[in-house]
Amino acid sequence: AQSVAQPEDQVNVAEGNPLTVKCTYSVSGNPYLFWYVQYPNRGLQFLLKYITGDNLVKGSYGFEAEFNKSQTSFHLKKPSALVSDSALYFCAVLSGGSYIPTFGRGTSLIVHP
Amino acid sequence: SQTIHQWPATLVQPVGSPLSLECTVEGTSNPNLYWYRQAAGRGLQLLFYSVGIGQISSEVPQNLSASRPQDRQFILSSKKLLLSDSGFYLCALGLAGTGANVLTFGAGSRLTVL
Repeated sequence: AQSVAQPEDQVNVAEGNPLTVKCTYSVSGNPYLFWYVQYPNRGLQFLLKYITGDNLVKGSYGFEAEFNKSQTSFHLKKPSALVSDSALYFCAVLSGGSYIPTFGRGTSLIVHP
Repeated sequence: SQTIHQWPATLVQPVGSPLSLECTVEGTSNPNLYWYRQAAGRGLQLLFYSVGIGQISSEVPQNLSASRPQDRQFILSSKKLLLSDSGFYLCALGLAGTGANVLTFGAGSRLTVL
């Protein structure tokens, strides 16, 4: 079984400040972890993924995420937020051998000018 | 690279009417295809997935059905819509045989049932 939790419905941050969107997961075996972003009335877009290797993964638009096996977390981060980063962010997990990812409920990121 | 097309983009239908949402993909063969529903702009609910022509798996019981008549075509249907069918429907594709494939999503179809 696999599951993912995004404990925050909404994250508010001022433009220029660092941002973190939290994600924890549960999976049998080694996890494949993903972050997607959704802008209003659009489909999801892939940001980054962790498969193996370096725990710090860099992705699109200056985002990065850190895989922490002991805490079963995969938090999304960005050093300096932009107003244009405001969107809905989804974490997803996939266990080895499965092709159906489990998505979190999503976290709404609001970046204030 | 793979691309995915969904139509119609927006649909307003009366209760009890039929539904057909279409999804087609380009740039790949034998993809895994998925239909998700997103209610109230939040979490994704997997409705159906398909690993090949004519092969459909349903994740939740409901009055919706899916078909895959061609390798790159995935259709979501209903004979009689309910108010609760309103939502944002997303088609996605994943590359078959890759254990950590990234899903590519279409732009979505917004259905309002009145």
